[in-house]
Amino acid sequence: QLQLQESGPGLVKPSETLSLTCTVSGGSISSSSYYWGWIRQPPGKGLEWIGSIYYSGSTYYNPSLKSRVTISVDTSKNQFSLKLSSVTAADTAVYYCARRPWQLADGWFDPWGQGTLVTVSS
Amino acid sequence: VIWMTQSPSLLSASTGDRVIISCRMSQGISSYLAWYQQKPGKAPELLIYAASTLQSGVPSRFSGSGSGTDFTLTISCLQSEDFATYYCQQYYSFPLTFGGGTKVEIK
Repeated sequence: QLQLQESGPGLVKPSETLSLTCTVSGGSISSSSYYWGWIRQPPGKGLEWIGSIYYSGSTYYNPSLKSRVTISVDTSKNQFSLKLSSVTAADTAVYYCARRPWQLADGWFDPWGQGTLVTVSS
Repeated sequence: VIWMTQSPSLLSASTGDRVIISCRMSQGISSYLAWYQQKPGKAPELLIYAASTLQSGVPSRFSGSGSGTDFTLTISCLQSEDFATYYCQQYYSFPLTFGGGTKVEIK
């Protein structure tokens, strides 16, 4: 059964870079059938798609965050990562990683990781 | 960007009730819509994709309908484990977007 697990610092200072890693187990991140994505949820609020990456390195980013986001993949470790630069308190959220089929026409997310809370504060 | 309006944002219901949640798009998306259930402190879970296809393992009391701009999620007979927040998501075009959520609470 495929599982995803987020990891990384739970506290980041304003203006610094948030870095998270998602480790995939029970399946290969190099599958040609899937994209791997990041979604976030500020406390008490809704969901926001951040971006997605294919095992080849091809990426799609949300234009609202594109200037600050980098998503990368390490197939040797079965992991993909998120970097969000110049963070502010507005970036405080639970960050989820998730899988979606490679075709946009099948662009739902399943499964999801359990999520990790990142707080931006000095 | 495709904007999504979910209604109501809060729904009070009792066990056994039939519940209907609406999701309206700012432009047509054919049937490229998914529904998720999220319980407090947990990740969202996929319920329905392609507007009306039930994800494996999801109880048949959940159903989805609609196409174009108007979609609904129906829970035919609300169970205690269904009290949660529900989100719709469109995957017709980038950026992928979610509705604001509907919290189903105990009446």
